[in-house]
Amino acid sequence: DAKTTQPPSMDCAEGRAANLPCNHSTISGNEYVYWYRQIHSQGPQYIIHGLKNNETNEMASLIITEDRKSSTLILPHATLRDTAVYYCIVRVPYNFGNEKLTFGTGTRLTIIP
Amino acid sequence: GAVVSQHPSRVICKSGTSVKIECRSLDFQATTMFWYRQFPKQSLMLMATSNEGSKATYEQGVEKDKFLINHASLTLSTLTVTSAHPEDSSFYICSADATAGSYEQYFGPGTRLTVT
Repeated sequence: DAKTTQPPSMDCAEGRAANLPCNHSTISGNEYVYWYRQIHSQGPQYIIHGLKNNETNEMASLIITEDRKSSTLILPHATLRDTAVYYCIVRVPYNFGNEKLTFGTGTRLTIIP
Repeated sequence: GAVVSQHPSRVICKSGTSVKIECRSLDFQATTMFWYRQFPKQSLMLMATSNEGSKATYEQGVEKDKFLINHASLTLSTLTVTSAHPEDSSFYICSADATAGSYEQYFGPGTRLTVT
């Protein structure tokens, strides 16, 4: 799986949009970009994924650059409950093989009241 | 979304004893399950990949005789930490992929192991 690079920490004011960047310059053509988050002492929670088009769901939006070498996760209206470590991961979809997730160090997002 | 449970959520054991952690997929069948370990203030590190009915595949540096993995059914995988030592104290997390082509890997809530 391709390696990702994220800033170690970010702060965001409550109610504002949180924009979390991720670089994945060695991503392969069949690899998807996934975002997970981990709230303290819990298992990771899936947020969103995408291949090359921008994606939006009830939790967040994912913006992927045209060359797919970087992406941005957007939490449109951050709340205190969004304080967590956010992981950007690239992988192929599961297909009965060892399509494991490789976690980097992630971005520790702190929402400020 | 699909639910993965772990039991126990917390366990304290004495050095030298063995501890079993269960990972269950509650509403789907999981052909493949993954076991991770997370030390304080660090990221998740994959320990092994568990395939139903076959031997687990361990990551480099993970002792297969110490961390025994059994995936006997499509809804249950177990991790047994044998002869536990204080350095095995960690947060153990399992995850599961539901079916081929599935885009989401579902994580359990984790098990906090403390070895005294």
